[in-house]
Amino acid sequence: QVQLVQSGAEVKKPGSSVKVSCKASGGTFSSYTISWVRQAPGQGLEWMGRIIPILGIANYAQKFQGRVTITADKSTSTAYMELSSLRSEDTAVYYCASRSPWFGELGLFDIWGQGTMVTVSS
Amino acid sequence: QSVLTQPPSVSGAPGQRVTISCTGSSSNIGAGYDVHWYQQLPGTAPKLLIYGNSNRPSGVPDRFSGSKSGTSASLAITGLQAEDEADYYCQSYDSSLSGLYVFGTGTKVTVL
Repeated sequence: QVQLVQSGAEVKKPGSSVKVSCKASGGTFSSYTISWVRQAPGQGLEWMGRIIPILGIANYAQKFQGRVTITADKSTSTAYMELSSLRSEDTAVYYCASRSPWFGELGLFDIWGQGTMVTVSS
Repeated sequence: QSVLTQPPSVSGAPGQRVTISCTGSSSNIGAGYDVHWYQQLPGTAPKLLIYGNSNRPSGVPDRFSGSKSGTSASLAITGLQAEDEADYYCQSYDSSLSGLYVFGTGTKVTVL
C-alpha cells in the first residue's frame, strides 16, 4: 500500500509562507485523496483541506480559506500544502494523510505521513 | 475548531473498562455520517483504531470497540493495558460550511 513521506522541519518568520511536501510511494498516486491535518503543541487534530489528484480538485476548511493552497504533482506523486501569512498560532506538526482503496468512499485516514514540524517565530 | 466534543481525560486501572464519548450534532454524527476513531501515542502520527462506527482494522485488538447512537458515538476499551495509555480522537464528516472532515477534541487515557 502507499506510504507517505513528508519534507523536513521548517522555521519561518511571521507573515511569511511555508510549503510542505508529501511524497507517495508504493501505490497509484492519482487514485488517492490526500488530506492535510495539523496539530498544535499539546492540542488536538485539525483538518485543513484535501486534494483529489486525479481531478485536480481541492477543498479547504473554512478556517483556512484564502490562506492555504493544496496542490499535487502527478508526475512525481507528491502533494503540497502551502500556508501563507504565517502567525505564531500556526506553529504545529503538519500531517498528510490518505485512505487505502479497500475502505471505499469512507471518509477516514489510515495512511499518515510522519509529520512536519513548522515553527513560526520572529 | 473541533465540532465533536470528547472528555479531556479518562483513567482506569489495568484490566478495567473505560469508555470515551464523542458528541456531535445534526450536521455530522446526527446526520448519519460514520464515526472513526484514532489512537495517538506520544510523538507519533495517529493510527486508525475503529472505522465505520464499530469495525476494527486488521491488527487492532478486540478489546477496542465502537458504537454510535443519535448524535453521539463511543469508544470502549475493555481489559485496559498499560500500552493503551494514549490520546484518542473521534472523526466524522460534516455537512456544514466549516469543512468536510472534523475531529473530536481528544481524550487522554491514563492507565493507573
